[in-house]
Amino acid sequence: QSALTQPPSASGTPGQRVTISCFGSSSNIGSNAVTWYQQLPGTAPKVVMYSYNLRPSGVPDRFFGSKSGTSASLAISGLQAEDEATYYCAAWEDTLNGVVFGGGTKLTVL
Amino acid sequence: QVQLQESGPGLVKPSETLSLTCSVSDYSITNGFYWGWIRQPPGMGPEWIGSFFHSGSTFYSPSFKSRVTISVDTSSNRFSLELTSVTVADTAVYYCARFATMPDWGQGTLVTVSS
Repeated sequence: QSALTQPPSASGTPGQRVTISCFGSSSNIGSNAVTWYQQLPGTAPKVVMYSYNLRPSGVPDRFFGSKSGTSASLAISGLQAEDEATYYCAAWEDTLNGVVFGGGTKLTVL
Repeated sequence: QVQLQESGPGLVKPSETLSLTCSVSDYSITNGFYWGWIRQPPGMGPEWIGSFFHSGSTFYSPSFKSRVTISVDTSSNRFSLELTSVTVADTAVYYCARFATMPDWGQGTLVTVSS
């Protein structure tokens, strides 16, 4: 069982806005930044959001991150077929001095 | 931009020891940050194995604590992973990483445990 909780699946049609949630605790999301990864089949996870709402160069501004208390969300607006992937949240865990991950949310673009 | 590159055998026999090395370029591992290892078994999510701080402190996931050792070679700017008594469940892509505000991962290396 993952330390961070994500819904296993999400879906939307092209152009829609989709939100993926991530629930943690006071010792991870509650006190540290959240990173969101996008993973396409057969590739390594790629950072699409870090420090709650910062996008690496090359990630479109359709991606938006937020945090409230011990939960975080990744919102994708103007959904495109290329966004179909599995998304993982991650945060530093103070009790371990390591990283904890969510179980992943498979996003399907209908 | 820091570069991380994993290296090591792609095939390990059950009950033997898995050994991997991470070579770091364009940043000294003694300059700061936590560094460590993550793995991703086929069809599953990533899981943290262990970390070390530049000062020398090392931390391990309870899931691996009795089997794992991370060692650091500051002279060559590399660090290593040893995982003992492996089973088929240890088959995964192994990544080394810098745990910064914007994390950096290597490209990963697939290690298969099979006789």
